[in-house]
Amino acid sequence: NAGVTQTPKFQVLKTGQSMTLQCAQDMNHNSMYWYRQDPGMGLRLIYYSASEGTTDKGEVPNGYNVSRLNKREFSLRLESAAPSQTSVYFCASSAATDNYEQYFGPGTRLTVT
Amino acid sequence: GENVEQHPSTLSVQEGDSAVIKCTYSDSASNYFPWYKQELGKRPQLIIDIRSNVGEKKDQRIAVTLNKTAKHFSLHITETQPEDSAVYFCAASKASNYQLIWGAGTKLIIKP
Repeated sequence: NAGVTQTPKFQVLKTGQSMTLQCAQDMNHNSMYWYRQDPGMGLRLIYYSASEGTTDKGEVPNGYNVSRLNKREFSLRLESAAPSQTSVYFCASSAATDNYEQYFGPGTRLTVT
Repeated sequence: GENVEQHPSTLSVQEGDSAVIKCTYSDSASNYFPWYKQELGKRPQLIIDIRSNVGEKKDQRIAVTLNKTAKHFSLHITETQPEDSAVYFCAASKASNYQLIWGAGTKLIIKP
C-alpha cells in the first residue's frame, strides 16, 4: 500500500497563476482533508470531505476550492495564487468510522512569488 | 467551536530525562485525543491516542493522561532519546465531527 500520495512535491507559482494539488489514498478511507502548515506553525484545515460526494469548509477556505473526485481522490485548487498562500500543503485521510486516525501524505511545498 | 491550547511551545530536556507536554480543550463533547509527531521536513504521524472513556494509556516510553473534568490531557515521554527530537501536536475531536482541532505544537529538543 502506498498510503496517501500527493503531487507535486514542490511548486513555484507567480501571483495570479492557478494550479491543482492532487491527493490519492489506497486505504479505502471515507474521509479526506486538506491542511496548510506555515513555517513554525500548526496545521490549519482548509477543506475536508467526510465521505464521497460531500465537501465542507474548514478553518481557512478562502482562495481555495476542492473536488472529491471519487473515494480515492481529493484535489485542492488555487484559482488565483497569492503570496499569502505560500505554505506546505498536506493531504490526509481517515477511516472515520471506529478509527479516527488521520494518515498524512508527504506534503507539497508551494511558493508563490 | 472547539479550541485546543498547547504548552510549552518549546521544551528542552537532557537526554534520559522525562518530557511532559500539556493541552487543554474547550468543548466538553470532545472524546478523542491524539498526539502526532512531526520530524523536520516530514509528515505528521500518530504516536498515541486516547478516548474519553480511558484516563491513561501507555505505549513503551510514551504515555497520555486525560482529565475530563479539567478538560486537559498530557503527553509524557520517559527516558528521552535523540530521536525524540521533533515537533509534537495534540488534537481533539468529537465522534459526530470528522475534524481534528489541533494545538499549535511543541518543539522538543533533546540535549546530549
